[in-house]
Amino acid sequence: DTEVTQTPKHLVMGMTNKKSLKCEQHMGHRAMYWYKQKAKKPPELMFVYSYEKLSINESVPSRFSPECPNSSLLNLHLHALQPEDSALYLCASSQSWTGGLRNRDNEQFFGPGTRLTVL
Amino acid sequence: SQQGEEDPQALSIQEGENATMNCSYKTSINNLQWYRQNSGRGLVHLILIRSNEREKHSGRLRVTLDTSKKSSSLLITASRAADTASYFCATPTGEYGNKLVFGAGTILRVKS
Repeated sequence: DTEVTQTPKHLVMGMTNKKSLKCEQHMGHRAMYWYKQKAKKPPELMFVYSYEKLSINESVPSRFSPECPNSSLLNLHLHALQPEDSALYLCASSQSWTGGLRNRDNEQFFGPGTRLTVL
Repeated sequence: SQQGEEDPQALSIQEGENATMNCSYKTSINNLQWYRQNSGRGLVHLILIRSNEREKHSGRLRVTLDTSKKSSSLLITASRAADTASYFCATPTGEYGNKLVFGAGTILRVKS
């Protein structure tokens, strides 16, 4: 199974709502990622998890809260978002890196994304 | 900040023609990757070229890498309408190469 799944496909929420995005993979990957993509722009990295631990937070506002309950699941909890947070949120996974060795071939597998609209 | 810059920003060709997209990057790399994104969907990994490789082929795709010029090109031969998509180059950065930084992308439209 080389698929990354994301739910929901579309989400509309108000600025006072709390919602969660979910991502799942069964490729045995130990690195998982959240990206944000605005229209006609490239994806921008938000968070990286490695072995269920947060390894990179790209200075993302605290209204975005990631969670990695196990090696297959990645969540993104949303609270008090702003209209400018409307975007396509992409999850990805890859083989991780170990010790001090570089992962030379960090090929990432992406899910189809969640289209988020904040009203 | 973006590691890679791509040109052209948009490309429109007829079915059967070849499409060439270029990518430039700023820092040293271990590899450079190309991804395709169909409208509003997730990205699909197309091909990876390592820093010690100059050219790589995969089906109708040909990628070149010139590390002295910090540039890469993606050639799609005999294009099809189904190739219509956005194409991004990406380079792993960060201490463990775990941060993928994407170029601005090229929007390719193949007309049938």
